[in-house]
Amino acid sequence: GQNIDQPTEMTATEGAIVQINCTYQTSGFNGLFWYQQHAGEAPTFLSYNVLDGLEEKGRFSSFLSRSKGYSYLLLKELQMKDSASYLCAVKAAGNKLTFGGGTRVLVKP
Amino acid sequence: ETGVTQTPRHLVMGMTNKKSLKCEQHLGHNAMYWYKQSAKKPLELMFVYSLEERVENNSVPSRFSPECPNSSHLFLHLHTLQPEDSALYLCASSQWGAEQFFGPGTRLTVL
Repeated sequence: GQNIDQPTEMTATEGAIVQINCTYQTSGFNGLFWYQQHAGEAPTFLSYNVLDGLEEKGRFSSFLSRSKGYSYLLLKELQMKDSASYLCAVKAAGNKLTFGGGTRVLVKP
Repeated sequence: ETGVTQTPRHLVMGMTNKKSLKCEQHLGHNAMYWYKQSAKKPLELMFVYSLEERVENNSVPSRFSPECPNSSHLFLHLHTLQPEDSALYLCASSQWGAEQFFGPGTRLTVL
């Protein structure tokens, strides 16, 4: 079976750093994706990790540890527009993505 | 602009109606997907098409019937739905194995 856990909600201040954790237990692993979804909009791709380590992309970084079944998304220099849901998704067999419930991040001034 | 469009954006239908959702991708991708997003539940994969052939059917009730006439178009035909089928239906496309690009979704309400 597939199980992906991430916190439901996080609050942070503008300019700060927030780390969103994702743990997973899946049958098979072919990579982990992070998506951002603003309310009422489509999810948009943020990052993809298939090997252990940190991938940095501007203010956003994503980390993966396959042996621990663990990933995090790090958002730096938070801006008000970063208020959104962040979805962790694991690609197992074939091309099938299984999503976590999403973490709603609220950025306060 | 994501390159994936969906119509209609909003749909209200009765339980005895038949309707169809349409998705079109302009990205030259070879795989297309239907997802269901309900309130307070994770995104659920419904169907996967690769090169117009259905390769995944995630135990979806038969009242949902997908159709992929070519690599750019994907339909979801709806028939005798239930109120619990009310949700946001998202279409996505990708090159097989790569990141998926999502459309804006159709907000469906079943009365």
